[in-house]
Amino acid sequence: DVKVTQSSRYLVKRTGEKVFLECVQDMDHENMFWYRQDPGLGLRLIYFSYDVKMKEKGDIPEGYSVSREKKERFSLILESASTNQTSMYLCASSLFEIGGAVGANVLTFGAGSRLTVL
Amino acid sequence: GQNIDQPTEMTATEGAIVQINCTYQTSGFNGLFWYQQHAGEAPTFLSYNVLDGLEEKGRFSSFLSRSKGYSYLLLKELQMKDSASYLCAVMDSNYQLIWGAGTKLIIKP
Repeated sequence: DVKVTQSSRYLVKRTGEKVFLECVQDMDHENMFWYRQDPGLGLRLIYFSYDVKMKEKGDIPEGYSVSREKKERFSLILESASTNQTSMYLCASSLFEIGGAVGANVLTFGAGSRLTVL
Repeated sequence: GQNIDQPTEMTATEGAIVQINCTYQTSGFNGLFWYQQHAGEAPTFLSYNVLDGLEEKGRFSSFLSRSKGYSYLLLKELQMKDSASYLCAVMDSNYQLIWGAGTKLIIKP
């Protein structure tokens, strides 16, 4: 089974702290994504990456950065955490093929990291 | 702007049938996905529609009408374990996923 592992399920940080969220996938997927999930809102894309060292901004990149030094690992960094970044963070991975089979574009998600910023 | 609408919450009875609707307005269309998310867990893939019509997969079916910008997820013979949130997502012309806020389904005995 495809597995996406997020390093921390629950984190509590203070305003201004630097926060690292790690995500590792074991199926050699090209694409990796970071979303945040808040009550009453759809998943919102923060950043994604199509290849090692490649990154693209999503819909809400402000206050976040990412790193993809290895294909299997995609890290989300909050340089200076703020209370409005309290949220559930979901990492996902996929193959990607324009016009490809269904499975190519299905996202496999990690279990999530619930971050509370005090 | 791009928009996905689905009901916030629905309640159904064990053993019954429930239909969860999803309407969308997006820039282009490259398929519609349904995911299931149990509380505190990761979303998991349920179904994909890119052509009009009904796709059946066991107790779950998903329907798409591209001309109406409309899809539904049909769950039959409801079980308590079907209590979850159901997320509708559309892949737009840039192959980006646009997500609905999800429908929380509550199953009562």
